[in-house]
Amino acid sequence: AQSVSQHNHHVILSEAASLELGCNYSYGGTVNLFWYVQYPGQHLQLLLKYFSGDPLVKGIKGFEAEFIKSKFSFNLRKPSVQWSDTAEYFCAVSGSSNTGKLIFGQGTTLQVKP
Amino acid sequence: GAGVSQSPSNKVTEKGKDVELRCDPISGHTALYWYRQRLGQGLEFLIYFQGNSAPDKSGLPSDRFSAERTGESVSTLTIQRTQQEDSAVYLCASSLDRKHEFFGPGTRLTVL
Repeated sequence: AQSVSQHNHHVILSEAASLELGCNYSYGGTVNLFWYVQYPGQHLQLLLKYFSGDPLVKGIKGFEAEFIKSKFSFNLRKPSVQWSDTAEYFCAVSGSSNTGKLIFGQGTTLQVKP
Repeated sequence: GAGVSQSPSNKVTEKGKDVELRCDPISGHTALYWYRQRLGQGLEFLIYFQGNSAPDKSGLPSDRFSAERTGESVSTLTIQRTQQEDSAVYLCASSLDRKHEFFGPGTRLTVL
């Protein structure tokens, strides 16, 4: 079955702490991988994406993610979080040759304390 | 428009009533998706439209759910005989290339 698993449901960090949110997927075939973010009161928006090439991808606001094919993982990292990073983060996968429909993880709520 | 819009933003209905949710995609985006997010869960794919092709309805949870889209414009998601388990946020997204989806603000549906 196709699925995405996010290991942490709720993460609390202090400002300047490092962040790593885990994401593992189960999907047959070549995949596209995404992290979406939803800031309080705002729409869901794309943070970064991986289609092919360099498995280390950089996104907006200093976020990066690494695709490790052997581990079926696409973990999100940021070396130093800010209070403004408080949001809900969703990992998602789609098949690289299909319609683009996304399979999402359950989401991780990140709370950054000032 | 500048982004994907959805209406209404909130809908409260009684069990057994029909509801209709609307999505206005970004102009020129040929792909349109509906997702559902129940409390504490991730988004679930419901249905996908691409131009004038037959929609991919594989995610619709029951025959009470249906959706229409005329050409590359507005889409409506209809839920008949609503049940309490239909309570969720319904999100619409559109895409130009099926690689980057732009999401709307969602419609929060509450079935009493």
